[in-house]
Amino acid sequence: AQSVTQPDIHITVSEGASLELRCNYSYGATPYLFWYVQSPGQGLQLLLKYFSGDTLVQGIKGFEAEFKRSQSSFNLRKPSVHWSDAAEYFCAVGPRAYKYIFGTGTRLKVLA
Amino acid sequence: EPEVTQTPSHQVTQMGQEVILRCVPISNHLYFYWYRQILGQKVEFLVSFYNNEISEKSEIFDDQFSVERPDGSNFTLKIRSTKLEDSAMYFCASKQGLNTEAFFGQGTRLTVV
Repeated sequence: AQSVTQPDIHITVSEGASLELRCNYSYGATPYLFWYVQSPGQGLQLLLKYFSGDTLVQGIKGFEAEFKRSQSSFNLRKPSVHWSDAAEYFCAVGPRAYKYIFGTGTRLKVLA
Repeated sequence: EPEVTQTPSHQVTQMGQEVILRCVPISNHLYFYWYRQILGQKVEFLVSFYNNEISEKSEIFDDQFSVERPDGSNFTLKIRSTKLEDSAMYFCASKQGLNTEAFFGQGTRLTVV
């Protein structure tokens, strides 16, 4: 069955520290992978996507993610977190046309 | 920058009433979706729509739900007789083609009382 697992429900980091949010997927074919961010009361904003090619993808707001096929992972990273990065982060996997499957999300708290 | 817009941002309705949630996808997009997020839970797929018909729907999308693209610009989700458990944030999304990402609207928070 297709699924996305985000093992960390909550993560707290200090401002300026590095960040890694984990995402593992189960999917029968080569997946399309996404990270979305949701600020409180807001919609889902696309941070970055992986379709094919270079396995290290750059996104907006200084985020990057690395696709590792052997580990079925697509972890999100940022070298230095800003207070404005506090939000909920969702990893998603999708086939080409139809539905995305979302993980349960990781809520990031940033300490000043 | 083009965006998906949803109206209203918040709707309160009584149990048993019909509601229509409205979305204006990005104009050259061809694939349309509704997702929902119950408070504190993950985002769940409801339905996808392409070429004026439903492509796929989840088990959540029962006979109480319907979608329509009435005029080539709007994309609506109708819940015929709302239940308390329909209270959620509903997101509309659209994408241009097969190898593109989906863009999500800001959501409509539906509260059924």
